[in-house]
Amino acid sequence: NAGVTQTPKFQVLKTGQSMTLQCAQDMNHNSMYWYRQDPGMGLRLIYYSASEGTTDKGEVPNGYNVSRLNKREFSLRLESAAPSQTSVYFCASSEVDGRGNSPLHFGNGTRLTVT
Amino acid sequence: KNEVEQSPQNLTAQEGEFITINCSYSVGISALHWLQQHPGGGIVSLFMLSSGKKKHGRLIATINIQEKHSSLHITASHPRDSAVYICAAPGSSRLTFGEGTQLTVNP
Repeated sequence: NAGVTQTPKFQVLKTGQSMTLQCAQDMNHNSMYWYRQDPGMGLRLIYYSASEGTTDKGEVPNGYNVSRLNKREFSLRLESAAPSQTSVYFCASSEVDGRGNSPLHFGNGTRLTVT
Repeated sequence: KNEVEQSPQNLTAQEGEFITINCSYSVGISALHWLQQHPGGGIVSLFMLSSGKKKHGRLIATINIQEKHSSLHITASHPRDSAVYICAAPGSSRLTFGEGTQLTVNP
């Protein structure tokens, strides 16, 4: 049982390049999330998907897009990377909605550096 | 003021000590979460609680809804408990995370 699988683990981009972070969960969870973690700050929500077919902006959505491809997969795309997007990105899933009413399961994170 | 505040930010203990990490929140909640982030970066959910106390092994989480305060206790601490501990509380539309408490347990 893999849980939440997130790829890649590390990535270095140049300013202006694009990339997609992939996330898949095998727990049949309805809700999926993308967070970023920066030093001195708590995890911040970028986008979430409460259920298949829906996506919503979180706290820091600018510069990102998402796709809920199916119930298992939720990808995060950086169309034109900027140094401010240097961060550690986490995908997570939960059985029910994003308001914290069920435990979160996290992927192992992607360390992204934009030069 | 952050909606979720943790204290202390950093904590160093000797093996065997009893440890307490505190979390205060300003939003109304249905459940409060405690998470552990390993030195390698992975995050795991430890507890989700909405009242009283929960225990798992040497870890105990308590919550006082009226005071909007939760504590995470570690009994008989061990170097393998060294990690960042994060609390999170549901807000109006999303889960809000504290900045975390870096715990180091020395042998």
